[in-house]
Amino acid sequence: GQQVMQIPQYQHVQEGEDFTTYCNSSTTLSNIQWYKQRPGGHPVFLIQLVKSGEVKKQKRLTFQFGEAKKNSSLHITATQTTDVGTYFCAGPLLMDSSYKLIFGSGTRLLVRP
Amino acid sequence: EPEVTQTPSHQVTQMGQEVILRCVPISNHLYFYWYRQILGQKVEFLVSFYNNEISEKSEIFDDQFSVERPDGSNFTLKIRSTKLEDSAMYFCASSIRSRTSGYEQYFGPGTRLTVT
Repeated sequence: GQQVMQIPQYQHVQEGEDFTTYCNSSTTLSNIQWYKQRPGGHPVFLIQLVKSGEVKKQKRLTFQFGEAKKNSSLHITATQTTDVGTYFCAGPLLMDSSYKLIFGSGTRLLVRP
Repeated sequence: EPEVTQTPSHQVTQMGQEVILRCVPISNHLYFYWYRQILGQKVEFLVSFYNNEISEKSEIFDDQFSVERPDGSNFTLKIRSTKLEDSAMYFCASSIRSRTSGYEQYFGPGTRLTVT
């Protein structure tokens, strides 16, 4: 079945350093979504990428969708302590009347102040 | 801003007991989902629900699990006879649309289920 993998599993950075997490799917995706989960919280939608090679920015966050639509990355410039949490990519598996999200394993970001 | 709500926030039950987890999706959403997350692990799909029936279910969603939308607002997940390995955080989610556009899903705060 479809699998979505993420690396690294953990990243511990000094505040102000950059951070990148990588996501790879075993199959071509129609789109990819990114979610952030704060410690003890629930997944919160960040962004969706649809087009091959698409790049989107949200302030210090840059999201990229690969040309083959099988990989994606999230890059955070100059991390802050508010960036702490687990970042999940999620690819939809389409069915006839709906879809389900296949989540990656997540990258847990810890930021030292 | 509308949000998905879930009750209870924490449920402790004994092995073999039935539990019902409740969710109120966002009112104009049409697609509803249950996911679970074992502590420290990734979020796993359980079931999707549309037009008053199950659209898709995962291997985890066996005969012990069932879902219902008993009225126009609630969406419930029932586990008939809980096992220790059912201990996890259960998230309800809803979305306004699906299909190829892959619209974002809104997650509730979760119910932490502890089976002893």
